[in-house]
Amino acid sequence: AQKITQTQPGMFVQEKEAVTLDCTYDTSDPSYGLFWYKQPSSGEMIFLIYQGSYDQQNATEGRYSLNFQKARKSANLVISASQLGDSAMYFCAMNEGTTGFQKLVFGTGTRLLVSP
Amino acid sequence: ETGVTQTPRHLVMGMTNKKSLKCEQHLGHNAMYWYKQSAKKPLELMFVYNFKEQTENNSVPSRFSPECPNSSHLFLHLHTLQPEDSALYLCASSQDQGGPYEQYFGPGTRLTVT
Repeated sequence: AQKITQTQPGMFVQEKEAVTLDCTYDTSDPSYGLFWYKQPSSGEMIFLIYQGSYDQQNATEGRYSLNFQKARKSANLVISASQLGDSAMYFCAMNEGTTGFQKLVFGTGTRLLVSP
Repeated sequence: ETGVTQTPRHLVMGMTNKKSLKCEQHLGHNAMYWYKQSAKKPLELMFVYNFKEQTENNSVPSRFSPECPNSSHLFLHLHTLQPEDSALYLCASSQDQGGPYEQYFGPGTRLTVT
């Protein structure tokens, strides 16, 4: 069975600083994908970044990077140069296998607050 | 309209009412999903539709009835709900070939059952 663990209920960071949001996962499937989503107070889930289990390099998307440590089963999100608009809930999610549609399993989320 | 839209954005209903949530995607995707997000709990996948066919039903009570008339529209019909069904209901869509592909979410419907 899949499991996603986010141990940080809340994180604080000052504007322009970098922050790391932790995510560990558990799966016995060698093929899986890891996703990070942002959920502002408006409610919509916004896709940020994806890492495949066979990807050799860590994924990067602008100010977002994913620190993928396969042996430790961790997929931490790093946000560089934090902005006030980054204040939101952040969810780590995973799917297993290579079937077409995606059965995502989500963690409980981390609330990030960026202060001026 | 672009992306994934959901209506209504807010809904208050009594336990004996019947209502429907609507989701529409303008992304050309073939898979659509319903999720439930309750306070302090992870998102729970409720239903998955692939090319209009339901492929997943995660032990959802029968008071929730999904309908997918085509690959662009998804409905969630609600009847005789319980107060614990109050939550944010999110719709999402994605491609279904190869992948994995990220899911694109709508803004959600905030449901309150009184």
